Amino acid sequence: EVQVLESGGGLVQPGGSLRLSCAVSGFTFSRSWMHWVRQAPGKGLVWVSRINSDGSSTSYADSVKGRFTISRDNAKNTLYLQMNSLSAEDTGVFYCARDRSGSLTFDYWGQGTLVTVSS
Amino acid sequence: DFQMTQSPSTLSASVGDRVTITCRASQSISSWLSWYQQKPGKAPNLLIYKASSLESGVPSRFSGSGSGTEFTLTINSLQPDDFGTYYCQHTWTFGQGTKVEIK
Repeated sequence: EVQVLESGGGLVQPGGSLRLSCAVSGFTFSRSWMHWVRQAPGKGLVWVSRINSDGSSTSYADSVKGRFTISRDNAKNTLYLQMNSLSAEDTGVFYCARDRSGSLTFDYWGQGTLVTVSS
Repeated sequence: DFQMTQSPSTLSASVGDRVTITCRASQSISSWLSWYQQKPGKAPNLLIYKASSLESGVPSRFSGSGSGTEFTLTINSLQPDDFGTYYCQHTWTFGQGTKVEIK
């Protein structure tokens, strides 16, 4: 059974930092490209970042470039998102999703972790 | 900038109805389009990939069609469990969503 479990969300002040984690099981994590997708309250889905299977290549949405860092630990089957210089616009649920065969089709998603940036 | 535009934004239909949602790309994307269903408080769920391929475990009343810039998600015989918001997606870009309500 596939399991994707995000953690690390919470309330943080503007300008603060947070590190999200995504622990997976049930598929070969080390061969999978992975993504983070954000959803602001009551809004649609917005792609944030992706990383290839061995961590050697990453991409970011313009809105987070230079502030967020995606990484992975294949030995721990875990994906990370380090978020710095957070602003209210970063508030939302962050989902971790698997990319099927690098095709940018997201077939497995976690339940999401809520990040709230507020003073 | 590349954009995906869905229509309508909201639709209300009765159980048993045939429902159609359209997604238009601002430039040709061949058949590289996916559709997702999201229920309130839940993660999105993949329904269709490569424009017309039905994801394993998804009911056959869901179908996708189209290529190039215009795509369609069809729900034949709408069921009570089909409420939610539907998103199309190509690479890094999602459509704005279509909320389906059951009358």
